[in-house]
Amino acid sequence: DGGITQSPKYLFRKEGQNVTLSCEQNLNHDAMYWYRQDPGQGLRLIYYSQIVNDFQKGDIAEGYSVSREKKESFPLTVTSAQKNPTAFYLCASSHGRGRLQETQYFGPGTRLLVL
Amino acid sequence: QKEVEQDPGPLSVPEGAIVSLNCTYSNSAFQYFMWYRQYSRKGPELLMYTYSSGNKEDGRFTAQVDKSSKYISLFIRDSQPSDSATYLCAMSSLSYNTDKLIFGTGTRLQVFP
Repeated sequence: DGGITQSPKYLFRKEGQNVTLSCEQNLNHDAMYWYRQDPGQGLRLIYYSQIVNDFQKGDIAEGYSVSREKKESFPLTVTSAQKNPTAFYLCASSHGRGRLQETQYFGPGTRLLVL
Repeated sequence: QKEVEQDPGPLSVPEGAIVSLNCTYSNSAFQYFMWYRQYSRKGPELLMYTYSSGNKEDGRFTAQVDKSSKYISLFIRDSQPSDSATYLCAMSSLSYNTDKLIFGTGTRLQVFP
């Protein structure tokens, strides 16, 4: 089955700790995205990547980092610099430039909680 | 002012009712309009996709875009309890340089039996 997987489903972070959220897709999509969802605020874009080995900051990139070494994978690291990391994190992918770029498909999400 | 405005609800309706969900936007460059459905603690799933103005129908769902008023709607006919979810509108411009979608905050819908 084609789709987007995210792991883990729940993640707990201690103060001062970096944690990494996994996102994998087998849809052969070029573009991948990370969003953060908080109650009453909708989805806010953290980072996105339109091609392997390239990525751009979204609207709220501070305290986060990403890599895009493989087309299928786009992990997100929540660093200790992110002071309010508790949220629901969503990964998405799309075909990318010139081909239905606007249709994004989402993974099931990871809920990050601070201990 | 936010680029996309959406009433957060909750909107509570009886089973069988016609539901109308709406978003307004300020950026006249938006050309692509989407509706996503998100069940509690799940990722959003694409429900409807519309390019430019007009209507699009898919089963019980109809998406409507009025670019002159900068207003989009999603109608659900014969609503079911399984339609209870949060509905997110999203939109994008024709810019070649970005794949960014702008999302509304979502409207929570509750359909009771």
